[in-house]
Amino acid sequence: EVQLVESGGGLVQPGGSLRLSCATSGFTFNYFWMTWVRQAPGKGLEWVANIQQDGSDTYYVDSVKGRFTISSDSAKNSLYLQMNSLRAEDTAVYYCARGRGGDDWGYYYMDVWGKGTTVTVSS
Amino acid sequence: NFMLTQPHSVSESPGKTVTISCTRTSGTIASSYVQWYQQRPGSAPTTVIIEDTLRPSGVPDRFSGSIDSSSNSASLTISGLRTEDEAGYYCQSYDSSNQEVIFGGGTKLTVL
Repeated sequence: EVQLVESGGGLVQPGGSLRLSCATSGFTFNYFWMTWVRQAPGKGLEWVANIQQDGSDTYYVDSVKGRFTISSDSAKNSLYLQMNSLRAEDTAVYYCARGRGGDDWGYYYMDVWGKGTTVTVSS
Repeated sequence: NFMLTQPHSVSESPGKTVTISCTRTSGTIASSYVQWYQQRPGSAPTTVIIEDTLRPSGVPDRFSGSIDSSSNSASLTISGLRTEDEAGYYCQSYDSSNQEVIFGGGTKLTVL
Protein backbone atom coordinates (compact mmCIF):
# COMPACT_ATOMS: atom_id res chain seq x y z
CA GLU A 1 0.00 0.00 0.00
CA VAL A 2 1.30 3.41 -0.97
CA GLN A 3 1.60 5.73 2.05
CA LEU A 4 2.73 9.32 2.53
CA VAL A 5 3.07 10.65 6.08
CA GLU A 6 3.88 14.29 6.72
CA SER A 7 5.45 15.67 9.88
CA GLY A 8 7.20 18.75 11.17
CA GLY A 9 4.35 21.23 11.29
CA GLY A 10 3.77 23.53 14.23
CA LEU A 11 3.55 27.09 15.49
CA VAL A 12 6.31 29.45 14.40
CA GLN A 13 6.79 33.19 14.66
CA PRO A 14 6.85 35.42 11.56
CA GLY A 15 10.34 35.40 10.08
CA GLY A 16 11.06 31.96 11.51
CA SER A 17 11.86 28.65 9.84
CA LEU A 18 10.38 25.18 9.77
CA ARG A 19 11.29 21.94 7.97
CA LEU A 20 8.52 19.61 6.86
CA SER A 21 9.14 15.95 6.14
CA CYS A 22 7.17 13.38 4.19
CA ALA A 23 7.99 9.72 4.77
CA THR A 24 6.90 7.46 1.93
CA SER A 25 6.44 3.72 1.53
CA GLY A 26 4.88 1.19 -0.81
CA PHE A 27 6.45 2.44 -4.05
CA THR A 28 9.86 3.04 -5.63
CA PHE A 29 10.48 6.59 -4.47
CA ASN A 30 13.06 7.59 -7.07
CA TYR A 31 10.74 6.68 -9.95
CA PHE A 32 8.35 9.55 -9.21
CA TRP A 33 8.16 13.31 -9.09
CA MET A 34 6.94 14.62 -5.72
CA THR A 35 4.88 17.67 -4.78
CA TRP A 36 3.90 19.91 -1.88
CA VAL A 37 0.40 21.45 -1.92
CA ARG A 38 -1.01 23.70 0.80
CA GLN A 39 -4.43 24.84 1.91
CA ALA A 40 -4.93 27.97 4.00
CA PRO A 41 -7.81 27.91 6.50
CA GLY A 42 -11.12 28.04 4.65
CA LYS A 43 -9.40 28.38 1.27
CA GLY A 44 -8.70 26.18 -1.74
CA LEU A 45 -5.74 24.06 -2.73
CA GLU A 46 -2.54 25.84 -3.76
CA TRP A 47 0.42 24.15 -5.41
CA VAL A 48 3.70 24.98 -3.64
CA ALA A 49 6.56 23.03 -5.24
CA ASN A 50 7.61 20.06 -7.37
CA ILE A 51 10.82 18.04 -7.48
CA GLN A 52 11.95 15.72 -10.25
CA GLN A 53 12.73 12.06 -9.56
CA ASP A 54 16.47 12.55 -9.16
CA GLY A 55 16.15 15.92 -7.48
CA SER A 56 17.81 17.67 -10.40
CA ASP A 57 14.92 20.02 -11.16
CA THR A 58 12.69 21.90 -8.76
CA TYR A 59 9.81 24.31 -9.36
CA TYR A 60 8.00 26.71 -7.06
CA VAL A 61 4.96 28.96 -6.94
CA ASP A 62 6.08 32.59 -7.14
CA SER A 63 4.99 33.43 -3.58
CA VAL A 64 7.54 31.04 -2.02
CA LYS A 65 10.48 31.40 -4.41
CA GLY A 66 13.64 32.29 -2.54
CA ARG A 67 12.11 31.32 0.81
CA PHE A 68 11.17 27.62 0.46
CA THR A 69 13.35 24.74 -0.73
CA ILE A 70 12.04 21.34 -1.77
CA SER A 71 14.42 18.39 -1.53
CA SER A 72 14.38 14.62 -1.37
CA ASP A 73 16.47 11.75 -0.03
CA SER A 74 15.95 8.54 -2.01
CA ALA A 75 17.93 6.52 0.56
CA LYS A 76 15.32 7.46 3.15
CA ASN A 77 12.35 7.51 0.72
CA SER A 78 11.59 10.96 2.03
CA LEU A 79 10.57 14.39 0.78
CA TYR A 80 11.28 17.66 2.55
CA LEU A 81 10.23 21.30 2.50
CA GLN A 82 12.53 23.80 4.16
CA MET A 83 10.53 26.95 4.87
CA ASN A 84 12.39 30.15 5.80
CA SER A 85 11.28 33.75 6.35
CA LEU A 86 7.79 32.51 7.15
CA ARG A 87 4.85 34.88 6.88
CA ALA A 88 1.34 34.83 8.29
CA GLU A 89 0.04 34.02 4.81
CA ASP A 90 2.03 30.75 4.84
CA THR A 91 -0.34 29.44 7.53
CA ALA A 92 -1.90 26.33 6.02
CA VAL A 93 -2.16 22.59 6.02
CA TYR A 94 0.71 21.27 3.90
CA TYR A 95 0.13 18.09 1.90
CA CYS A 96 2.76 15.85 0.38
CA ALA A 97 1.68 14.14 -2.86
CA ARG A 98 3.12 11.75 -5.41
CA GLY A 99 3.32 13.16 -8.92
CA ARG A 100 2.69 11.67 -12.33
CA GLY A 101 3.86 13.08 -15.64
CA GLY A 102 6.33 15.95 -15.73
CA ASP A 103 8.05 18.27 -18.17
CA ASP A 104 8.68 15.59 -20.78
CA TRP A 105 5.01 14.61 -20.81
CA GLY A 106 3.34 18.04 -20.96
CA TYR A 107 1.07 17.21 -18.06
CA TYR A 108 1.34 16.74 -14.31
CA TYR A 109 -0.96 15.59 -11.56
CA MET A 110 -0.99 14.10 -8.09
CA ASP A 111 -2.25 10.55 -7.67
CA VAL A 112 -1.64 9.83 -3.96
CA TRP A 113 -1.85 12.29 -1.08
CA GLY A 114 -0.74 12.35 2.53
CA LYS A 115 -3.00 13.48 5.37
CA GLY A 116 -1.19 16.78 5.84
CA THR A 117 0.64 18.67 8.55
CA THR A 118 -0.44 22.05 9.92
CA VAL A 119 1.80 25.11 9.90
CA THR A 120 0.74 28.19 11.84
CA VAL A 121 2.74 31.39 11.53
CA SER A 122 1.82 33.78 14.30
CA SER A 123 3.36 35.85 17.05
CA ASN B 1 -0.41 31.78 -17.64
CA PHE B 2 -3.98 30.60 -17.36
CA MET B 3 -6.55 30.07 -14.61
CA LEU B 4 -9.23 27.46 -14.05
CA THR B 5 -12.64 28.84 -13.08
CA GLN B 6 -15.16 26.77 -11.15
CA PRO B 7 -18.58 27.61 -9.67
CA HIS B 8 -18.30 28.34 -5.96
CA SER B 9 -21.06 25.91 -5.02
CA VAL B 10 -23.64 23.51 -6.39
CA SER B 11 -26.38 21.50 -4.70
CA GLU B 12 -28.52 18.57 -5.69
CA SER B 13 -30.68 15.88 -4.15
CA PRO B 14 -29.64 12.31 -3.38
CA GLY B 15 -30.00 10.00 -6.36
CA LYS B 16 -29.77 12.83 -8.88
CA THR B 17 -26.94 13.78 -11.22
CA VAL B 18 -24.75 16.88 -10.88
CA THR B 19 -22.14 18.36 -13.20
CA ILE B 20 -19.34 20.68 -12.07
CA SER B 21 -17.61 22.80 -14.69
CA CYS B 22 -14.01 24.00 -14.92
CA THR B 23 -13.25 26.64 -17.55
CA ARG B 24 -9.73 27.41 -18.75
CA THR B 25 -9.25 31.18 -19.18
CA SER B 26 -6.58 31.10 -21.91
CA GLY B 27 -5.02 28.46 -24.10
CA THR B 28 -6.89 25.32 -25.04
CA ILE B 29 -8.38 22.91 -22.50
CA ALA B 30 -7.08 19.96 -24.50
CA SER B 31 -3.45 21.10 -24.35
CA SER B 32 -2.88 19.50 -20.95
CA TYR B 33 -4.84 16.88 -19.06
CA VAL B 34 -7.41 17.93 -16.45
CA GLN B 35 -7.71 16.11 -13.15
CA TRP B 36 -10.37 16.26 -10.42
CA TYR B 37 -9.84 15.91 -6.68
CA GLN B 38 -12.42 15.30 -3.96
CA GLN B 39 -11.91 16.72 -0.47
CA ARG B 40 -14.38 15.74 2.20
CA PRO B 41 -14.64 18.06 5.24
CA GLY B 42 -11.64 17.66 7.54
CA SER B 43 -9.86 15.24 5.20
CA ALA B 44 -7.05 15.28 2.68
CA PRO B 45 -7.80 15.42 -1.04
CA THR B 46 -8.21 12.24 -3.04
CA THR B 47 -7.93 11.86 -6.79
CA VAL B 48 -11.16 10.91 -8.56
CA ILE B 49 -10.45 11.66 -12.25
CA ILE B 50 -7.09 11.71 -14.06
CA GLU B 51 -6.15 12.51 -17.66
CA ASP B 52 -9.52 14.15 -18.46
CA THR B 53 -11.67 11.01 -18.28
CA LEU B 54 -9.98 8.16 -16.40
CA ARG B 55 -10.99 6.85 -12.98
CA PRO B 56 -8.22 5.67 -10.66
CA SER B 57 -8.68 2.24 -9.14
CA GLY B 58 -11.34 2.27 -6.43
CA VAL B 59 -13.27 5.31 -7.69
CA PRO B 60 -16.92 4.39 -8.39
CA ASP B 61 -18.16 4.59 -11.97
CA ARG B 62 -20.71 7.15 -10.77
CA PHE B 63 -17.85 9.63 -11.31
CA SER B 64 -17.01 10.64 -14.87
CA GLY B 65 -14.93 13.34 -16.51
CA SER B 66 -15.05 15.03 -19.88
CA ILE B 67 -13.69 17.99 -21.79
CA ASP B 68 -15.46 20.28 -24.28
CA SER B 69 -13.28 22.23 -26.66
CA SER B 70 -16.15 24.45 -27.78
CA SER B 71 -16.52 25.91 -24.27
CA ASN B 72 -12.85 25.37 -23.38
CA SER B 73 -13.92 23.59 -20.25
CA ALA B 74 -13.77 20.31 -18.38
CA SER B 75 -16.59 18.77 -16.41
CA LEU B 76 -16.98 16.34 -13.54
CA THR B 77 -20.30 14.49 -13.48
CA ILE B 78 -21.49 12.52 -10.47
CA SER B 79 -24.56 10.36 -10.94
CA GLY B 80 -26.67 8.61 -8.31
CA LEU B 81 -25.65 11.21 -5.73
CA ARG B 82 -25.05 10.01 -2.19
CA THR B 83 -24.67 12.05 0.98
CA GLU B 84 -21.05 10.85 1.15
CA ASP B 85 -20.37 12.75 -2.10
CA GLU B 86 -20.83 16.02 -0.21
CA ALA B 87 -17.36 17.55 -0.48
CA GLY B 88 -15.18 20.14 -2.16
CA TYR B 89 -14.15 19.31 -5.73
CA TYR B 90 -11.08 20.84 -7.39
CA CYS B 91 -10.03 20.69 -11.01
CA GLN B 92 -6.32 20.86 -11.87
CA SER B 93 -4.13 21.16 -14.93
CA TYR B 94 -0.50 21.95 -15.77
CA ASP B 95 1.07 25.01 -17.36
CA SER B 96 4.01 23.56 -19.27
CA SER B 97 5.25 27.01 -20.28
CA ASN B 98 6.45 27.65 -16.73
CA GLN B 99 6.12 24.20 -15.13
CA GLU B 100 3.37 25.30 -12.74
CA VAL B 101 0.52 23.21 -11.38
CA ILE B 102 -2.80 25.08 -11.66
CA PHE B 103 -5.81 24.43 -9.42
CA GLY B 104 -9.33 25.72 -9.86
CA GLY B 105 -10.80 27.58 -6.92
CA GLY B 106 -12.92 24.62 -5.88
CA THR B 107 -16.63 23.84 -5.84
CA LYS B 108 -18.55 22.92 -2.69
CA LEU B 109 -21.09 20.21 -3.46
CA THR B 110 -24.03 19.95 -1.12
CA VAL B 111 -26.22 16.86 -1.30
CA LEU B 112 -29.55 17.61 0.35
